[in-house]
Amino acid sequence: EVQLVESGGGLVQPGGSLRLSCAASGFTFSTYGMNWVRQAPGKGLEWVSYISSSSSSIYYGDSVKGRFTISRDNAKNSLYLQMNSLRDEDTAVYYCARDRGVTRLDPWGQGTLVTVSS
Amino acid sequence: EIVLTQSPGTLSLSPGERATLSCRASQSVSSSYLVWYQQKPGQAPRLLIYGASSRATGIPDRFSGSGSGTDFTLTISRLEPEDFAVYYCQQYGSSPPYTFGQGTKLEIK
Repeated sequence: EVQLVESGGGLVQPGGSLRLSCAASGFTFSTYGMNWVRQAPGKGLEWVSYISSSSSSIYYGDSVKGRFTISRDNAKNSLYLQMNSLRDEDTAVYYCARDRGVTRLDPWGQGTLVTVSS
Repeated sequence: EIVLTQSPGTLSLSPGERATLSCRASQSVSSSYLVWYQQKPGQAPRLLIYGASSRATGIPDRFSGSGSGTDFTLTISRLEPEDFAVYYCQQYGSSPPYTFGQGTKLEIK
């Protein structure tokens, strides 16, 4: 069974840092691009970042560019999101999602909640 | 950047009825790149339709997608109680790679 499990969320003060992880299982992780997508409380979905299978291509949404860094470790079947200079508006559930042919996201993990507040 | 606008914002229907959800793009979108997701409260989004009209694995045939260019539609032919949820359309573009519509909430009337 294909499974994605996020971890690392929590409460952090504005200006702080947090590192999210996504553990993948049930598929050959090293052959798929991966994404982070977030959802603020009661709001819609916002794509955050993409990394290709070999880490050769990386993209960020404008709202996180320069503050967030996506990375992966194919030997550990893991995806990461390093979040620095966090703002109140970064408060959201963060989902990792597998990229299917650079057209769709499937499946998604269950999400991890990041709360930025003083 | 292509903007996706979904309508209506909220749709109130009864089980057994037909639901028609709209997704309109600000510029033409390749049908290959138009996707629909379902999200239930407290759950992650689930892929329903990709390539505008292809059902994902395990999705019942009461769900269908159609459309081209700037106008796309998700139709649920006969609503089951488990279909009441929020539905998002998504398109793949060049920058940013993925954009989502704001969602349509399908609620029980």
